[in-house]
Amino acid sequence: QQQVKQSPQSLIVQKGGISIINCAYENTAFDYFPWYQQFPGKGPALLIAIRPDVSEKKEGRFTISFNKSAKQFSLHIMDSQPGDSATYFCAAILTGANNLFFGTGTRLTVIP
Amino acid sequence: DAGVIQSPRHEVTEMGQEVTLRCKPISGHNSLFWYRQTMMRGLELLIYFNNNVPIDDSGMPEDRFSAKMPNASFSTLKIQPSEPRDSAVYFCASSLWGGVSNQPQHFGDGTRLSIL
Repeated sequence: QQQVKQSPQSLIVQKGGISIINCAYENTAFDYFPWYQQFPGKGPALLIAIRPDVSEKKEGRFTISFNKSAKQFSLHIMDSQPGDSATYFCAAILTGANNLFFGTGTRLTVIP
Repeated sequence: DAGVIQSPRHEVTEMGQEVTLRCKPISGHNSLFWYRQTMMRGLELLIYFNNNVPIDDSGMPEDRFSAKMPNASFSTLKIQPSEPRDSAVYFCASSLWGGVSNQPQHFGDGTRLSIL
């Protein structure tokens, strides 16, 4: 059973556009939600993370929006660049634990 | 600073052979994770250790898989005997665990395993 559901599976965006990736979860015991970025041939790397007591977190062009009541969170990439082309994973961690539950990933392609 | 180091980067072997994957976590990290990544199943947690002790091995597919962490700076994942369906990219990750959930995991670059 997938603990964290992610969509879309793939996304193509024009350079300068906004990329939006959505995730949903059921377990209200999750208390930390990181996003990972993975380039081909590399391991996932932490991009940005949020706790459920915050509705939005912004780091540069990357923003996480969090809706606790709907149990949904999303990653927005503003002014998308070809260098952002990668696979993005949302994830969640249970309270007091340290093992990640990953979404299925979104393959983003930014067209020049 | 050195990140998580995995070896080998690529492994090609015949079905039935023993495979050993190795991982050196980031110095000072006390949690270590083994993941498997495939197109069909995405990223799956196989097992993780806190302070060299296995905490959750429920993701280990079957008895052919085993993992050890003899000390804080080294871990192995063994598959014996290997089967073609074990072909995947295997990642090791480490983190600093202090009882709080918001410690990021740092991943190695993985071992691409192909079983013929």
